[in-house]
Amino acid sequence: KAGVTQTPRYLIKTRGQQVTLSCSPISGHRSVSWYQQTPGQGLQFLFEYFSETQRNKGNFPGRFSGRQFSNSRSEMNVSTLELGDSALYLCASSLDGQGVHEQYFGPGTRLTVT
Amino acid sequence: GDSVTQMEGPVTLSEEAFLTINCTYTATGYPSLFWYVQYPGEGLQLLLKATKADDKGSNKGFEATYRKETTSFHLEKGSVQVSDSAVYFCALRGLNTGNQFYFGTGTSLTVIP
Repeated sequence: KAGVTQTPRYLIKTRGQQVTLSCSPISGHRSVSWYQQTPGQGLQFLFEYFSETQRNKGNFPGRFSGRQFSNSRSEMNVSTLELGDSALYLCASSLDGQGVHEQYFGPGTRLTVT
Repeated sequence: GDSVTQMEGPVTLSEEAFLTINCTYTATGYPSLFWYVQYPGEGLQLLLKATKADDKGSNKGFEATYRKETTSFHLEKGSVQVSDSAVYFCALRGLNTGNQFYFGTGTSLTVIP
């Protein structure tokens, strides 16, 4: 099976712009989570989508949003970019249902805001 | 709420040294526990997991035992290699469907020849 894929791998944006990142989960996985990783704050949970619905949400401002499509692919959007949004954005998918299932991570999208 | 606490890094060891990275957790009930590893420039990879008390997860010479009495899941390896240099994350997920994952802050390990 193909792993979790994220596009693009690298992005450079200017303050005030907006950006959309994409994530394709492993085939059959219905849960997709997004994380922000920075040297100072570590790995921080943004949100999780399951069956096109946001199921869990971290503590991020409303500038960060996401959605999930019927094929489980997910996008996250950041509007009005700030310098502090520069980070590695990681997507993870998991096979959900009865029991607990580990998450599988993509390689990430490196966002640089100038 | 649920949380994970990892030992602070960075950790520097010589090749063939013994490794321990401490992880303790706070959770309601009996969560599943995980160790993930992140190599430079990559996403996180699942290293091992344990889903119930006294379970031992193991992979690539690493192992960790789910200790309910001490709420711990310490990662160990008997003899580290240079290729083990990476950042290690402890994580938990509650048993109920829909529970989110909680990650520790990560511990950076450097192994020198």
